[in-house]
Amino acid sequence: KAGVTQTPRYLIKTRGQQVTLSCSPISGHRSVSWYQQTPGQGLQFLFEYFSETQRNKGNFPGRFSGRQFSNSRSEMNVSTLELGDSALYLCASSLGSFQSNTEAFFGQGTRLTVV
Amino acid sequence: SQKIEQNSEALNIQEGKTATLTCNYTNYSPAYLQWYRQDPGRGPVFLLLIRENEKEKRKERLKVTFDTTLKQSLFHITASQPADSATYLCALRPPARQLTFGSGTQLTVLP
Repeated sequence: KAGVTQTPRYLIKTRGQQVTLSCSPISGHRSVSWYQQTPGQGLQFLFEYFSETQRNKGNFPGRFSGRQFSNSRSEMNVSTLELGDSALYLCASSLGSFQSNTEAFFGQGTRLTVV
Repeated sequence: SQKIEQNSEALNIQEGKTATLTCNYTNYSPAYLQWYRQDPGRGPVFLLLIRENEKEKRKERLKVTFDTTLKQSLFHITASQPADSATYLCALRPPARQLTFGSGTQLTVLP
């Protein structure tokens, strides 16, 4: 069974540009969550999708957006990039949503560097 | 709002000893609590889940306890090895909310 796949693995962008990251969840998983991880901040929640609907959203500016497609694949977009957006972006998939006993399976992450 | 604290940013122990990591939470009484391991530059990997009525759960050299009165979970690695060196994260999900992680404890097992 294939794991969670995130593309690309590494990305270098210039300030002001926009970027789109992709996540393919484990087959059969309908819930996808996105997290930002920086050295001093730990895992910061961005958003969670279930069956194409956004279920939860973290405290990030509107420059951060996401969506989920009918095949459960998800994308997140960051517009007008800032230096502070440099981070490891992690996607996690799980079977259900709002189920506290459901484990999350993470991808390898996309390392975004903004210069 | 839900707050999760892992009280040691870094923990160094000698190989063969037992490592004990702490996770405290406030403002919520979760039915389940999860523990993950994360290696540098990689996504977290699920290790164990414990239910509120389970008090203790074991998996090989790992043991997790869950004290709902103290609002605390302890994560133990017995007979620790250098390969156990990683960051360990606790996580819980309040009702209708996302899976929320603590900031993690970086464990280093010294040979």
